[in-house]
Amino acid sequence: QVQLQQSGPGLVKPSQTLSLTCAISGDSVSSNSDAWNWIRQSPSRGLEWLGKTYYRSKWYNDYAVSMKSRITINPDTSKNQFSLQLNSVTPEDTAVYYCARGNQGDHFDYWGQGTLVTVSS
Amino acid sequence: DIVLTQSPDSLAVSLGERATINCKSSQSVLYTSNNKNYLAWYQQKPGQPPKVLIYWASTRESGVPDRFIGSGSGTDFTLTISSLRAEDVAIYYCQQYYSSYTFGQGTKLEIK
Repeated sequence: QVQLQQSGPGLVKPSQTLSLTCAISGDSVSSNSDAWNWIRQSPSRGLEWLGKTYYRSKWYNDYAVSMKSRITINPDTSKNQFSLQLNSVTPEDTAVYYCARGNQGDHFDYWGQGTLVTVSS
Repeated sequence: DIVLTQSPDSLAVSLGERATINCKSSQSVLYTSNNKNYLAWYQQKPGQPPKVLIYWASTRESGVPDRFIGSGSGTDFTLTISSLRAEDVAIYYCQQYYSSYTFGQGTKLEIK
């Protein structure tokens, strides 16, 4: 059974960097068939895909165009986890952030528990 | 970006009755080389992440009850709950994975 466990702060100051981690059990971040995603949800923007990292003989990243200048997603094979960094946050980045496994295409078949991140001074 | 528009925004159905939720895509999500529609449906209950119900427009995820039925092709899709149960109260989302990933705005399903 795949499980994703998120960790990271729930409060970030404007202009600073949002950092979250997603620990994987029951699968490998280096899987050749899965992808590891970050998705956020807010009342104003709904569900919004942010980006993913995946391994297909080498590492790849794919980011939403709207996020490309501010986002980094990195795998950590030693800890079997992956991380999200979002720079220069504003209050509009306030949302529940989820990590999720992408499978077959990709739909998202396993999700983390969600982390409410509030951007406020 | 592909825009997914769900209808209705909210829906109240009696227990045991059929619930139908529609999802219209701004462009086709049918990949003709494999004849697969790159569309999924999710159920989200308060305080929980979304849970996948259907992928490839009509393939039920393992463990999902057979009262959940996905149909449609190209740009028009439907999620049908054939006989509503109390535990089906939730918000339902469609999602396309044909070109990047986008979600519909959600449909809130309640008991009448």
